[in-house]
Amino acid sequence: NAGVTQTPKFQVLKTGQSMTLQCAQDMNHNSMYWYRQDPGMGLRLIYYSASEGTTDKGEVPNGYNVSRLNKREFSLRLESAAPSQTSVYFCASKRGENTEAFFGQGTRLTVV
Amino acid sequence: AQSVTQPDIHITVSEGASLELRCNYSYGATPYLFWYVQSPGQGLQLLLKYFSGDTLVQGIKGFEAEFKRSQSSFNLRKPSVHWSDAAEYFCAVGPGGAQKLVFGQGTRLTINP
Repeated sequence: NAGVTQTPKFQVLKTGQSMTLQCAQDMNHNSMYWYRQDPGMGLRLIYYSASEGTTDKGEVPNGYNVSRLNKREFSLRLESAAPSQTSVYFCASKRGENTEAFFGQGTRLTVV
Repeated sequence: AQSVTQPDIHITVSEGASLELRCNYSYGATPYLFWYVQSPGQGLQLLLKYFSGDTLVQGIKGFEAEFKRSQSSFNLRKPSVHWSDAAEYFCAVGPGGAQKLVFGQGTRLTINP
């Protein structure tokens, strides 16, 4: 079972460049999430999609956009990367209410 | 707003010793509680969860956690740690019926041989 797949695994960007992080799940889950992980701060929610066709801001949405392309795929876009966006990004999915989240392996992004 | 506090940033224990990782949460109603483990360079794996019922829950890899409503705590325990338990551990809370998870800052566990 693939579970939650994120691409790429590593990326280096220059300040001002744009890129899209891809996430796909094959578990037929309804909800999908993007988190960022920074040392000493745990995981912070960037955006989430409770169901296909909906997206909502999380705790730290500034500088990011998302697209719920279909039930399987949820992408995160950085339009103009900044060094403050250097982080490890995790995508997660859940079947629905009262269930646990499953996580991808993460994307390590460095903005120079 | 809900929040999760893990008071210990880093804990070191000897192999074979017992372990307790602390987690305190803030939420007005009955929370849904989770412990995740992250090995270096990996994603997060669910260790255990509490939704309702028995307040002592068993998880994978020999871990257990106890929900104490009066103390707003959900501490993780293991009677005897193994070197392979070295990792970072995250407590998370998800309000009942809602979609989002809020994570604590994490506790990094080091095991001495």
